[in-house]
Amino acid sequence: KQEVTQIPAALSVPEGENLVLNCSFTDSAIYNLQWFRQDPGKGLTSLLLIQSSQREQTSGRLNASLDKSSGRSTLYIAASQPGDSATYLCAVRSFMNRDDKIIFGKGTRLHILP
Amino acid sequence: GAGVSQSPRYKVAKRGQDVALRCDPISGHVSLFWYQQALGQGPEFLTYFQNEAQLDKSGLPSDRFFAERPEGSVSTLKIQRTQQEDSAVYLCASSPQGTGGYEQYFGPGTRLTVT
Repeated sequence: KQEVTQIPAALSVPEGENLVLNCSFTDSAIYNLQWFRQDPGKGLTSLLLIQSSQREQTSGRLNASLDKSSGRSTLYIAASQPGDSATYLCAVRSFMNRDDKIIFGKGTRLHILP
Repeated sequence: GAGVSQSPRYKVAKRGQDVALRCDPISGHVSLFWYQQALGQGPEFLTYFQNEAQLDKSGLPSDRFFAERPEGSVSTLKIQRTQQEDSAVYLCASSPQGTGGYEQYFGPGTRLTVT
């Protein structure tokens, strides 16, 4: 059974700092890994999608890496801003037992201090 | 083009009532997923459709939950005899193809509160 873990559960950092959010998964049989942002009371906004054959993806101040063999991904946020405050979710699309499903971590609640 | 839409956005139900939640995926998307997100938690898988076929319903918490996608487009998640523990945000996502590494596109969710 695929399990996704995100560490830390919550993080507060001063504005301007660079930070790293961690995601780990137990089974490497994945199609892709996706990072989402969720603001309070809102739906999910896709940030970055990494296919299983890729090592990283970049979008603006965000960089996501994938090490499939070790079951790990990181989301790097450069020069953090108060507007980055949100919950960040990692999700793995896997094909265990011929099922195709997306398994989410519980998220990291990020607070950027002005 | 339009993204994934869900209706209603908010639903308050008295315990024991039946509710129906609607998802309109992006036109032409083959795959459709339903998730349940409790407060402070990540979304949890409920069920998956490929066109009109429900290929996986292993995440449905009880037989009070039922989902359908009769024509392979719009999907409805029905909850019978709602209980307080059903209170959550219900998210729908669609994907262009069947199995594979295609991106998932999420709707805004329906927040269900059972009183």
